[in-house]
Amino acid sequence: KAGVTQTPRYLIKTRGQQVTLSCSPISGHRSVSWYQQTPGQGLQFLFEYFSETQRNKGNFPGRFSGRQFSNSRSEMNVSTLELGDSALYLCASSPWTGESSYEQYFGPGTRLTVT
Amino acid sequence: AQSVTQLGSHVSVSEGALVLLRCNYSSSVPPYLFWYVQYPNQGLQLLLKYTSAATLVKGINGFEAEFKKSETSFHLTKPSAHMSDAAEYFCAVRDSSYKLIFGSGTRLLVRP
Repeated sequence: KAGVTQTPRYLIKTRGQQVTLSCSPISGHRSVSWYQQTPGQGLQFLFEYFSETQRNKGNFPGRFSGRQFSNSRSEMNVSTLELGDSALYLCASSPWTGESSYEQYFGPGTRLTVT
Repeated sequence: AQSVTQLGSHVSVSEGALVLLRCNYSSSVPPYLFWYVQYPNQGLQLLLKYTSAATLVKGINGFEAEFKKSETSFHLTKPSAHMSDAAEYFCAVRDSSYKLIFGSGTRLLVRP
């Protein structure tokens, strides 16, 4: 099975712009979560989608949003970018079946740099 | 609320030596615990998980972890370090809303 894929891998944007990141989960996985990783704050949960519905949301401002499509692919959007949004954005998918429900498999991440 | 504490932001060992990375958790319910590894410029790879089936959990690449409820610990060990083990390691607990709460990470350096 192919792993979680994220596009693009690297992105450079300017303050005030918006950006959309994409994530394709492992085939058959219905849950997709997004995390932000920075040197200062570590790994922080952004949100989780399951069957096209946002099931859980972290403590991030409304500039951060996401969605999930019927094929489980997910996108996250950040509007009005700030310098502090520079980070590695990680997507993780979960099978959500039985005991394996609790496992999350991560993609390689999208490195966003805001200048 | 669940939380995870990783003791030691950096650990240095010689090649062939024992690796011990410490993780303590706080959870009001039986925890689901995980160890992930992150190599430079990559995502997180699941090393092993504890889901109450057995207290000693074996993972990939020769790593294992032991769940000790009395000590609220889930330390990661490997009998003999390889140069390829150099990476950052994260302990995580699943919280009641199914998201992962991560520790701050431990960077493992392996000396030749």
